[in-house]
Amino acid sequence: EIVLTQSPGTLSLSPGERATLSCRASQSVSSSYLAWYQQKPGQAPRLLIYGASSRATGIPDRFSGSGSGTDFTLTISRLEPEDFAVYYCQQYGSSPVTFGQGTKVEIK
Amino acid sequence: QVQLVESGGGLVKPGGSLRLSCAASGFTFSDYYMSWIRQAPGKGLEWVSYISSSGSTIYYADSVKGRFTISRDNAKNSLYLQMNSLRAEDTAVYYCARESRGPNGMDVWGQGTTVTVSS
Repeated sequence: EIVLTQSPGTLSLSPGERATLSCRASQSVSSSYLAWYQQKPGQAPRLLIYGASSRATGIPDRFSGSGSGTDFTLTISRLEPEDFAVYYCQQYGSSPVTFGQGTKVEIK
Repeated sequence: QVQLVESGGGLVKPGGSLRLSCAASGFTFSDYYMSWIRQAPGKGLEWVSYISSSGSTIYYADSVKGRFTISRDNAKNSLYLQMNSLRAEDTAVYYCARESRGPNGMDVWGQGTTVTVSS
């Protein structure tokens, strides 16, 4: 099983600042099958990024993903008020599918 | 519009059973692989099970293998999760999700249904 470790656990930033979230895999993620999801309280997760760097439909371009192998990054270029949420990475290249434990982006 | 709606959650005693349903609309259900994912209170996401578009390929997380059964009825545009021998640690919000083609992640999620296992 591929274990995904996200860091930091919590990121305290102000609107307009840049957010950089990390996701490290215990072994190489096949074909960059790495996705990022955003979840707000009481809501289902929303797909942001798939294939490590491709934005899902309707996702603003301030969200970008990068990385390959075992190290992946989600960057939010300028935080908007609606971006404060929990973010999860997921690998779907190997069974079982696994998620990271999440990074909470909170308002400073 | 593209939508998934879960139902069937509730309170059940340890050792009991529950069947979750997920009704799909707004897309050709039979073209897509589907998954169940759960989230325990205050915790992260845990993948539970996956079924191919025809139902011929199925996977389970080790934590539910032998107790849970995933199935689908493409004629009814519905996905199911039969949960037996429930334990307290199965308490969670259960989401169904569509696996986008590619594969390109889980692009459509339901609102979730809550399962509570308690005596």
